[in-house]
Amino acid sequence: DGGITQSPKYLFRKEGQNVTLSCEQNLNHDAMYWYRQDPGQGLRLIYYSQIVNDFQKGDIAEGYSVSREKKESFPLTVTSAQKNPTAFYLCASSIGRDRGPTGELFFGEGSRLTVL
Amino acid sequence: AQSVAQPEDQVNVAEGNPLTVKCTYSVSGNPYLFWYVQYPNRGLQFLLKYITGDNLVKGSYGFEAEFNKSQTSFHLKKPSALVSDSALYFCAVRDDAKLTGGGNKLTFGTGTQLKVEL
Repeated sequence: DGGITQSPKYLFRKEGQNVTLSCEQNLNHDAMYWYRQDPGQGLRLIYYSQIVNDFQKGDIAEGYSVSREKKESFPLTVTSAQKNPTAFYLCASSIGRDRGPTGELFFGEGSRLTVL
Repeated sequence: AQSVAQPEDQVNVAEGNPLTVKCTYSVSGNPYLFWYVQYPNRGLQFLLKYITGDNLVKGSYGFEAEFNKSQTSFHLKKPSALVSDSALYFCAVRDDAKLTGGGNKLTFGTGTQLKVEL
């Protein structure tokens, strides 16, 4: 089945540690996104990538890093510089650039990060 | 800048009654509008979208939405609510005037919790 796979679903981290969240898609989509969800704040865009080897900062990129070495993969690293990393993280993808604006996002099931 | 407002944090409705979840938007060009649904600890699922054409858009699970340009609204509706519709609903917008230079971003509202009771 085509879709987006995020792992791990739950992750615990000690303060000062970097963690990497995995996101893989087999939908052949060009664009991929990372969102952060906090209660009552909706979804906020962290980073996005419209093509391999290129990515852009979103609205809350500080303390995060990404890479896009393969079309299928868009891992997110939450660094120790992120002041409040406890949140629900959602990865999404959408169809290629020419039809991109009208295409809906397809989401993974999310990864819940808790900092101890 | 593009923005979306969902003025109600929670909507309560009895099963079998019609439901409406409100959404208003602000863009400089023409809007591309979307509704998504989220069940607890899950990702978002796409319900429907308005790109152009008919103002009434039909989507998944019996949901529909009405685009109203003069009121800059895109309210989600369903004629008869089910208990299983209880979830968190998000409205989202893209501005077609801001699609270049990395502007292909979707802005989400803060979400409306729908509670359908027997």
